[in-house]
Amino acid sequence: AQSVTQPDIHITVSEGASLELRCNYSYGATPYLFWYVQSPGQGLQLLLKYFSGDTLVQGIKGFEAEFKRSQSSFNLRKPSVHWSDAAEYFCAVGARGNEKLTFGTGTRLTIIP
Amino acid sequence: DVKVTQSSRYLVKRTGEKVFLECVQDMDHENMFWYRQDPGLGLRLIYFSYDVKMKEKGDIPEGYSVSREKKERFSLILESASTNQTSMYLCASSFGRASSNYGYTFGSGTRLTVV
Repeated sequence: AQSVTQPDIHITVSEGASLELRCNYSYGATPYLFWYVQSPGQGLQLLLKYFSGDTLVQGIKGFEAEFKRSQSSFNLRKPSVHWSDAAEYFCAVGARGNEKLTFGTGTRLTIIP
Repeated sequence: DVKVTQSSRYLVKRTGEKVFLECVQDMDHENMFWYRQDPGLGLRLIYFSYDVKMKEKGDIPEGYSVSREKKERFSLILESASTNQTSMYLCASSFGRASSNYGYTFGSGTRLTVV
């Protein structure tokens, strides 16, 4: 069975600073990996996904993530955060031929001026 | 614009009531899911359905049931609401049997309070 860990519950970053949110997964084969963002009171929106090919994936809103098989990681990055990036971020892992995604517990991002 | 629509944003129900949460998608997706979201616990799968009238239990099905009579609609039922079911409920849908390829589309959520 697959699992995913987001070790940081809450991160605070200054506006304009760089951001990295950590995600570690556990799965025996090549996983499908996703990052979602949830603004307050809203559902989840897909930021980006990886399932094969180039290990550096570009997403919406200027985000990117890098799949590192050797570290079982899929960290989310952004070079310069904006106040509107304040939200909760979820990493998710899926398996080939499986309908279900497994989600991490989320990382809440706070942006300070 | 494709959508997953949850019928209520906020609900307040009394303990012991039977509660229906409705979800409709307009993308002709095969798969539909119900999650609950609680602080510190992330998203936990309650039930999912991969076809009309088909359902499978997720990780926390106790106290819940589901109904999928039409492809576009997936209902979550709390048979007898309890205070520990106070939570945010999220519906999602996805395409195909290998839907992990594509990820999910989520609704905006229903925040249920049981008093």
